[in-house]
Formats: sequence, C-alpha cells, structure tokens
Amino acid sequence: EAGVAQSPRYKIIEKRQSVAFWCNPISGHATLYWYQQILGQGPKLLIQFQNNGVVDDSQLPKDRFSAERLKGVDSTLKIQPAKLEDSAVYLCASSNQQGSGYTFGSGTRLTVV
Amino acid sequence: GDSVTQMEGPVTLSEEAFLTINCTYTATGYPSLFWYVQYPGEGLQLLLKATKADDKGSNKGFEATYRKETTSFHLEKGSVQVSDSAVYFCALTVSSNTGKLIFGQGTTLQVKP
Repeated sequence: EAGVAQSPRYKIIEKRQSVAFWCNPISGHATLYWYQQILGQGPKLLIQFQNNGVVDDSQLPKDRFSAERLKGVDSTLKIQPAKLEDSAVYLCASSNQQGSGYTFGSGTRLTVV
Repeated sequence: GDSVTQMEGPVTLSEEAFLTINCTYTATGYPSLFWYVQYPGEGLQLLLKATKADDKGSNKGFEATYRKETTSFHLEKGSVQVSDSAVYFCALTVSSNTGKLIFGQGTTLQVKP
C-alpha cells in the first residue's frame, strides 16, 4: 500500500512569514496526527484528527498554528507568523484505529531564518 | 505527567557488538510501549512493541521486555550491523481514546565496520 505522503520535503522561510504543509494519509485511515520534532528531541503531538474532527489539539500553539482536515482525508498544517523556534521536522502519521498501526510520513523539514 | 527517558547518545559500536539502549517511563494507567527507528532521510518506522507487563517485543534481531516493576523497556540486540545505524526512539501510549504517542528524546546509534 502507498505510504503517508507529505510535501514539501524542505522549506526555508524568514521569520514572520507564513508556511503550509500538506499530508495525504494512507487510504482508509480515519486517524491523522501531526507531530513536531525539534532537532535532538523526540516528536511531540501537535494535533490529532478522527475523520475530520479534532480529538486533541492541547499542544498546538493556536495563536500561530492552525490545521484542518477537510472531507476526512488530506490535511494541511499552517504556521502564521513563523518564529525561529518553529524550526523543526513536521511529521504526519495516520492509523486505522486510534493508538494502533501508526504509519509516519517522511516529514517536512522547516528552517526559519 | 506521562514521560519517557532514554539513555544519552550517541552510542558508537563495532559491528557484531552487543547493543543495549535503556528506556524508562512514567505513566498513569497501563501504557503500551514501543521502539521506533528512524534511518537517515526516512520516516519513523515501528521496530517492536509490547502491550502488557512481561511481554517481549521482537523484530529484526532486536528485543525489548516490558518490565512493570522497574518501569523499563530496554532495547537489546546481540550482534549489530552497520545497517542498524539510525536513531532509536522509545515511546508509550496510555490506554485512552486518543492514541497519542509520547516519545523519548532518541538515541543515535552508529555502528562501525
């Protein structure tokens, strides 16, 4: 089966600019996750969707980050405006049931200068 | 709160050496435990898992045993290969309705020929 697709692979922006990341999960996977992985740290959950509804966004900095999953399939994560500390790899993952069978995408590496 | 602590890296070994990467956890409830591996330029891949106390997860020669009494899930391999060079993450999920993964900070393994 096809894996979790993410784009772009790399992005460099200046602080205060905006950026968006895209994720296409595995077909049929109802649960979609966005994780932030800062260099030297483990991934941290930003937001979790079940179909097109939000299950957990407690760690999402809502003043600058937003995410949506229209029609319960693809998802976009947006940062506006970006800060230097947002430099990280943003990982998308999907699963066919919550907490089981995770598949991660290759991630988008964001550098904010 | 729930957390995972891994031994500091990097770990540098010669080929065919014995590997141990320590992982301890703090969790409410009854967590499931995981080891993920991240090869250079690739996404996170599930290496093995254990869902209850005394379970042993194994895959590709790697093993880890869920020790509730010591709250540990140490990763071991009897004879490492150069191809095992990667970053290894210990993670947990607490039985709930979210499936959120909590990761340790990762341990880099470098195996030299």
